[in-house]
Amino acid sequence: EVQLVESGGGLVKPGGSLRLSCAASGFTFSSYSMNWVRQAPGKGLEWVSSISSSSSYIYYADSVKGRFTISRDNAKNSLYLQMNSLRAEDTAVYYCARSSTSCWGDYWGQGTLVTVSS
Amino acid sequence: DIQMTQSPSSLSASVGDRVTITCQASQDISNYLNWYQQKPGKAPKLLIYDASNLETGVPSRFSGSGSGTDFTFTISSLQPEDIATYYCQQYDNPPELTFGGGTKVEIK
Repeated sequence: EVQLVESGGGLVKPGGSLRLSCAASGFTFSSYSMNWVRQAPGKGLEWVSSISSSSSYIYYADSVKGRFTISRDNAKNSLYLQMNSLRAEDTAVYYCARSSTSCWGDYWGQGTLVTVSS
Repeated sequence: DIQMTQSPSSLSASVGDRVTITCQASQDISNYLNWYQQKPGKAPKLLIYDASNLETGVPSRFSGSGSGTDFTFTISSLQPEDIATYYCQQYDNPPELTFGGGTKVEIK
């Protein structure tokens, strides 16, 4: 059974940092691109960042470029999102989702809540 | 950036009704469109991929159609468990994908 489990969310002050993790199981993690998507409270879905299977290609939404860093460890079946210089508008539930050349978003994690507030 | 305009933003229908949601892309995205269902406090669930293909295990009352810029998502007979928010998503030019604004479906 495919599982994606996020962790690392919490309350952080503006300007602070947080590192999210996504633990994958039930599939060959190293064969899939992985993504972060976020959802602000009561709002819609926003793509944040993507990383290819071997980390050769990395992309960010303009809203997080220069502040967030996506990475993965295929040996540990894990995806990460390092978030620096956090702003109130980064408050959201952060989901990890897998993708491939044939399908985007067939599995998502349950999400982890990041709250940026003083 | 490709913009996705989804309508309506909310709807109320009776059990057994046919429900239709539309999504319009700001440019041609071929058939690179997904439809998701999201229930409160849960992650989005993929229902339809490539505009019209039903994801494994998804009830056949859900369907999708369209290509290019205009897409439609249909629930042929609304059930109580279908109460959720539905989102379209384009992936014509990954990784820069975009979502529609969502349609909240309620029971009348």
